[in-house]
Amino acid sequence: SQQGEEDPQALSIQEGENATMNCSYKTSINNLQWYRQNSGRGLVHLILIRSNEREKHSGRLRVTLDTSKKSSSLLITASRAADTASYFCATEEEYGNKLVFGAGTILRVKS
Amino acid sequence: EPEVTQTPSHQVTQMGQEVILRCVPISNHLYFYWYRQILGQKVEFLVSFYNNEISEKSEIFDDQFSVERPDGSNFTLKIRSTKLEDSAMYFCASSDGGLAVYEQYFGPGTRLTVT
Repeated sequence: SQQGEEDPQALSIQEGENATMNCSYKTSINNLQWYRQNSGRGLVHLILIRSNEREKHSGRLRVTLDTSKKSSSLLITASRAADTASYFCATEEEYGNKLVFGAGTILRVKS
Repeated sequence: EPEVTQTPSHQVTQMGQEVILRCVPISNHLYFYWYRQILGQKVEFLVSFYNNEISEKSEIFDDQFSVERPDGSNFTLKIRSTKLEDSAMYFCASSDGGLAVYEQYFGPGTRLTVT
């Protein structure tokens, strides 16, 4: 089955800098969703991008999707210490509605 | 803002015991899901549920697992005879629809520890 795989595995930046995380997957999808998880906590939905969309914005978040390369990126601009968390991409298969998660990127924003 | 809730937040049980994990999905949602995350690993899909029946399940979701929507608000995951390897965080999720355009909203999780 398809997998979302993020890179880098870990990212450490200074407050105010931008953070970019990438996700690759293997098969056709309906949509791709990004989630944030604070240590040991639940998954917070950040943004969904449909397979026919190329870019989407939500506040300080910008997501791109390139279905020809089967990849997506999440950009967090002007990062804050509170953005420190793990970020996961999850793909919804073309048929069916289960989400397939990647291993995640651990983001640390230093103040 | 509506949210998915789960109880208990932490459950400790002995190997071989039955556990029931409870979830209250967002009220107008139609699709319900269970996922799990073993410590340090990826979030894995277990099962999806729609119109009072399972719509999809993974290889993990064997005969030891079952789901139920006993009333109009609760959604439960039962593990009949727990094993050590069932120790994980279990997440319930719900979505408004299942055809490509709906976000899945997750609950805070139940941490299951099997001793």
